[in-house]
Amino acid sequence: GENVEQHPSTLSVQEGDSAVIKCTYSDSASNYFPWYKQELGKGPQLIIDIRSNVGEKKDQRIAVTLNKTAKHFSLHITETQPEDSAVYFCAPTDSWGKLQFGAGTQVVVTP
Amino acid sequence: DAMVIQNPRYQVTQFGKPVTLSCSQTLNHNVMYWYQQKSSQAPKLLFHYYDKDFNNEADTPDNFQSRRPNTSFCFLDIRSPGLGDAAMYLCATRRGQGALDEKLFFGSGTQLSVL
Repeated sequence: GENVEQHPSTLSVQEGDSAVIKCTYSDSASNYFPWYKQELGKGPQLIIDIRSNVGEKKDQRIAVTLNKTAKHFSLHITETQPEDSAVYFCAPTDSWGKLQFGAGTQVVVTP
Repeated sequence: DAMVIQNPRYQVTQFGKPVTLSCSQTLNHNVMYWYQQKSSQAPKLLFHYYDKDFNNEADTPDNFQSRRPNTSFCFLDIRSPGLGDAAMYLCATRRGQGALDEKLFFGSGTQLSVL
């Protein structure tokens, strides 16, 4: 089965600084790589995703990079704001839609 | 507008008293999932439906059952809740109509307390 490692488990950043979270996976059948954001008391929401034929994708202040050879992908948040404070999960997914969540990263953005 | 709706938002039950959580979706998605999420942990898949086909995870206790009477609704039944079943229960959907539709849509969850 898929083995997913997500680092760091907690990340504290000053408002305006950048945050980077890394996810490493083991299943070479994974070909879809989403990041979900979960705010307190809510369900996870997709914030950005990337497919295996793309190396990088950007959406305003967030970006995802993928290194399929090394089996890792990363979430990058620039110019962090207090509303970026949440738990972030990576969830590498195979063609059948079977996914494995990482353990999550608690991001705290301090003003 | 909410697309995956879970009711109730908070549920309190007694030890051993059966409880049912509900999920409805307006997306007409084929696949519906139930996840259990304990504090500071990742969501853990309990089971899912692809249309009417039920798929149970190997480590899901028999105490957890599910029903999907139609495309829009899915229920999670906990037959005899124990203290260890206190958690957030998340419903999610996926279109499931072929390639490039792996995105999951989550509801806001039901927080279950067991007294």
